[in-house]
Amino acid sequence: EVQLLESGGGLVQPGGSLRLSCAASGFTFTTYAMTWVRQAPGKGLEWVSTFIASGGISYYADSVKGRFTISRDNSENTLFLQMSSLRAEDTAVYYCAKGAWNYLNYFDYWGQGTLVTVSS
Amino acid sequence: QSALTQPASVSGSPGQSITISCTGTSIDIGAYNFVSWYQQHPGKAPKLMIYDVRNRPSGVSNRFSGSKSGNTASLTISGLQAEDEADYYCSSYTISSIVFGPGTKVTVL
Repeated sequence: EVQLLESGGGLVQPGGSLRLSCAASGFTFTTYAMTWVRQAPGKGLEWVSTFIASGGISYYADSVKGRFTISRDNSENTLFLQMSSLRAEDTAVYYCAKGAWNYLNYFDYWGQGTLVTVSS
Repeated sequence: QSALTQPASVSGSPGQSITISCTGTSIDIGAYNFVSWYQQHPGKAPKLMIYDVRNRPSGVSNRFSGSKSGNTASLTISGLQAEDEADYYCSSYTISSIVFGPGTKVTVL
């Protein structure tokens, strides 16, 4: 059974940093692209970043480019999102999602999300 | 990055069929057959309902179907049931990114 468990969310001040983790199990982690998607309170889904399993290729939304860094530890089956220079508009539930393939397309499994609140 | 448009809300009575549209441009929906649809109940994670325009994942009811014409994709729910009441998001691949629609709230009357 595929499981994705996010952690690391919390309250952070504007300009601060936070690192999210997503522990994956139930599938061959090294074979699939992994993605972060966020959802601001009462708003829709927003794609944030994707890390392709091979080649170290990553993609970012314009809204986070230069501030967020996605990475993965294939030995620990874990996906990370390092967030810095955080802004109030980054406040959201952050979901970890598994790609159905090793390229940027759709997401067949999602975690339950972790809430990030950026506020002073 | 591009944006997709969806109606804010769609409603129907039990047993009826409804269709949700998702309009993009020639660089996203119009350019690729990489349209997907997600269902989200309040407080829950999104669930994949349709991928690659018209394909259903295992376990998704055949009451859900997808299609595309030009720059517009559509999700049709036939035989509407109470459990279908949720938010629905379309998504498309575009150049080196993924774009989501704003979501459509489906209400079962």
